[in-house]
Amino acid sequence: NAGVMQNPRHLVRRRGQEARLRCSPMKGHSHVYWYRQLPEEGLKFMVYLQKENIIDESGMPKERFSAEFPKEGPSILRIQQVVRGDSAAYFCASSPITGLVNYGYTFGSGTRLTVV
Amino acid sequence: GQQLNQSPQSMFIQEGEDVSMNCTSSSIFNTWLWYKQEPGEGPVLLIALYKAGELTSNGRLTAQFGITRKDSFLNISASIPSDVGIYFCAGQLEYGGSQGNLIFGKGTKLSVKP
Repeated sequence: NAGVMQNPRHLVRRRGQEARLRCSPMKGHSHVYWYRQLPEEGLKFMVYLQKENIIDESGMPKERFSAEFPKEGPSILRIQQVVRGDSAAYFCASSPITGLVNYGYTFGSGTRLTVV
Repeated sequence: GQQLNQSPQSMFIQEGEDVSMNCTSSSIFNTWLWYKQEPGEGPVLLIALYKAGELTSNGRLTAQFGITRKDSFLNISASIPSDVGIYFCAGQLEYGGSQGNLIFGKGTKLSVKP
């Protein structure tokens, strides 16, 4: 069974460009969670999605950031007009049903975004 | 926002020594999780705790969910070089958080000298 797959592993964008980060959950998982990790910091919650629904986006910046998890295909975290402060590692996790903590969290290996 | 105070920030120990780290908060948590992260990788779940007072082991690792539900500790016995990494505690708030929203500590960086 493949784990949570994230791509790309590394992404370099110039200021003002768009970044699209993809996350394919584990097989059979319909809940996806995005977290951001700044250097020397712990992970910070961004958004929780089920298929075609955003359940909790309380950790998402109000502007430039959006996330989706369509019926088919991976979840996408989109950052428009990136700035240097967006440079971070972005991690995705998935779970099969509501109550992810009953299964712990299975994280992907992350996408390291560098804005130059 | 909510914070978890994780200590120590870093530890330099000799192979074979025992290690102890902990997380505290002013808020009540209904779940505590301990993760290990190695460079360039995502966090890997080590131990999950779901009830106050619960003590759980995973090999040389032991973790406990504090009785007050505001703290947790992780112990590693007889450390080995492959224990090197950053250990994070994470918790789910009893009140005010969604099921997807885990609060993470800032991590304890463990270095083991052979």
